[in-house]
Amino acid sequence: GENVEQHPSTLSVQEGDSAVIKCTYSDSASNYFPWYKQELGKGPQLIIDIRSNVGEKKDQRIAVTLNKTAKHFSLHITETQPEDSAVYFCAASDSWGKFQFGAGTQVVVTP
Amino acid sequence: GAVVSQHPSRVICKSGTSVKIECRSLDFQATTMFWYRQFPKQSLMLMATSNEGSKATYEQGVEKDKFLINHASLTLSTLTVTSAHPEDSSFYICSAPREGKNTEAFFGQGTRLTVV
Repeated sequence: GENVEQHPSTLSVQEGDSAVIKCTYSDSASNYFPWYKQELGKGPQLIIDIRSNVGEKKDQRIAVTLNKTAKHFSLHITETQPEDSAVYFCAASDSWGKFQFGAGTQVVVTP
Repeated sequence: GAVVSQHPSRVICKSGTSVKIECRSLDFQATTMFWYRQFPKQSLMLMATSNEGSKATYEQGVEKDKFLINHASLTLSTLTVTSAHPEDSSFYICSAPREGKNTEAFFGQGTRLTVV
């Protein structure tokens, strides 16, 4: 089955700096890669996703890149703000809505 | 937009009792829903796939007789934790894909279960 690894487990950044989270996956059949933000005590919220036919996608301060050959994808957050502090999960899927999640990254943005 | 509603958000129960958690798709039909469990500071682990009109599919290591799943309609799946024990205390989250293959999965708000 699919195995998703995520790094780093924690990330502290100064407000205004960029944050990068990296994930690798094992199953070459995976073709959908969403990123979720989870705040304490709440369910995950989709922040951006990318499909295997695309190499990069951007939405304002958030961008995701995908390298299918190397089986890795990354989340980039620019101009970080305190409200970006949360746990971020990457995921990979090759079937209908069924995800394998990474271990999560605790992002702390300090003013 | 599409919303998945989960109820209750928090529940405390005594050891040995059963607890039912509901997952509803509010403005779309979901023939398939997924149940995840998340322990503190850990990732979401898929427990089972809930299929409308048929039996649920459980992931390896998940006891089907302990975690009963019923997908009675196209908008409702329920997870019942039977004979709950303190080690079942966790955050349970459901999700539902809206349509098609590899589309966004909408997640419920989660249910914090505490077994005392």
